[in-house]
Amino acid sequence: KAGVTQTPRYLIKTRGQQVTLSCSPISGHRSVSWYQQTPGQGLQFLFEYFSETQRNKGNFPGRFSGRQFSNSRSEMNVSTLELGDSALYLCASSRQGWGTDTQYFGPGTRLTVL
Amino acid sequence: EDQVTQSPEALRLQEGESSSLNCSYTVSGLRGLFWYRQDPGKGPEFLFTLYSAGEEKEKERLKATLTKKESFLHITAPKPEDSATYLCAVLDAGNMLTFGGGTRLMVKP
Repeated sequence: KAGVTQTPRYLIKTRGQQVTLSCSPISGHRSVSWYQQTPGQGLQFLFEYFSETQRNKGNFPGRFSGRQFSNSRSEMNVSTLELGDSALYLCASSRQGWGTDTQYFGPGTRLTVL
Repeated sequence: EDQVTQSPEALRLQEGESSSLNCSYTVSGLRGLFWYRQDPGKGPEFLFTLYSAGEEKEKERLKATLTKKESFLHITAPKPEDSATYLCAVLDAGNMLTFGGGTRLMVKP
């Protein structure tokens, strides 16, 4: 079956701009989680959506937001981009969520902020 | 605040040379500990979930174990294709997921 897909795969933006990333989960998966991965901070949890509701949230500023649609596809938005937002953004899907289910990661979107 | 520390940061092994990776954690109410493998340019790939101290899981050349303070990923007779970054993560009682910094494993033929 098809895996988790993320678009775009690469993105270059400048400071102050905003960006929207997209994630399509595996068919039948209702949970989508987003992560930021940087060489300095490693992999950090952003938020999790389940059935269109944000269920869990990590320690990131309000510039980072997301949403989930009725077909479980999810988008993540970052407003007023900063240089430090340059990172690999990963999403992962599962049927019910972390604690009870295996997460499957997408290939990520590489965001560069100039 | 939960903390997850992985050691060593990098490990070079000869093919066939068995070793262990360590994941030490402090967490408020462990709900689960996860091991992932990540290849360059790709997202992490799930390996194991461990839920309680004493639990062990195996998959091919990999075996994960869990105590109340740490988890080990044992690699038996590794092959070059086992080269990757191995990540562990803990899920706490408040449903927060915290990742360790990873161990970069290189297996030379």
